[in-house]
Amino acid sequence: AQKVTQAQTEISVVEKEDVTLDCVYETRDTTYYLFWYKQPPSGELVFLIRRNSFDEQNEISGRYSWNFQKSTSSFNFTITASQVVDSAVYFCALSGGDTGRRALTFGSGTRLQVQP
Amino acid sequence: DAGITQSPRHKVTETGTPVTLRCHQTENHRYMYWYRQDPGHGLRLIHYSYGVKDTDKGEVSDGYSVSRSKTEDFLLTLESATSSQTSVYFCAIRWGTGVSPGNTIYFGEGSWLTVV
Repeated sequence: AQKVTQAQTEISVVEKEDVTLDCVYETRDTTYYLFWYKQPPSGELVFLIRRNSFDEQNEISGRYSWNFQKSTSSFNFTITASQVVDSAVYFCALSGGDTGRRALTFGSGTRLQVQP
Repeated sequence: DAGITQSPRHKVTETGTPVTLRCHQTENHRYMYWYRQDPGHGLRLIHYSYGVKDTDKGEVSDGYSVSRSKTEDFLLTLESATSSQTSVYFCAIRWGTGVSPGNTIYFGEGSWLTVV
């Protein structure tokens, strides 16, 4: 069975602080994919990044960066110089490559509040 | 824009009544999913479809049925709604017409269902 754990239920920071959202996963698949989604107060789910299990390179996109470590089964997300617009719920998710349905297993989410 | 439309977006219904939520996509994607979102649980898979008339259960399928008679439409039915089915329902598609497990999953805007 697959499992995604986001131990941080809620984080509050002041604007311009850096913040890291933790994600730990469990899977028996040898090939798998990891995702991050953002859910702003308006409610939609916005895709941020996809990473496959063979690619452990860290990725940076503007103020966002992701640290994938297979050794610790973690896929952490860092926002540098946070802004009020970053306030949202962030979900980490896992998709197995070996299972037929190709569905996502989600963590419970981390609510980030950025105070001005 | 992943071309996903959910309807209705908001609905209030009474316990014991049937309810159908519709998901419509315009890009001929093969895989479609229904998730529900509840506080503390993230998103959980209800049912999914991997082609016309090909559907299967997810983790929380009790009390729900689905149908897919056309590629573009995936219907979720609550045969007899209960208060525990009050939730936000998200439809999703896996991008592409093939079976690649790595393709990104995109979500519709959600349907808010309240059962009173």
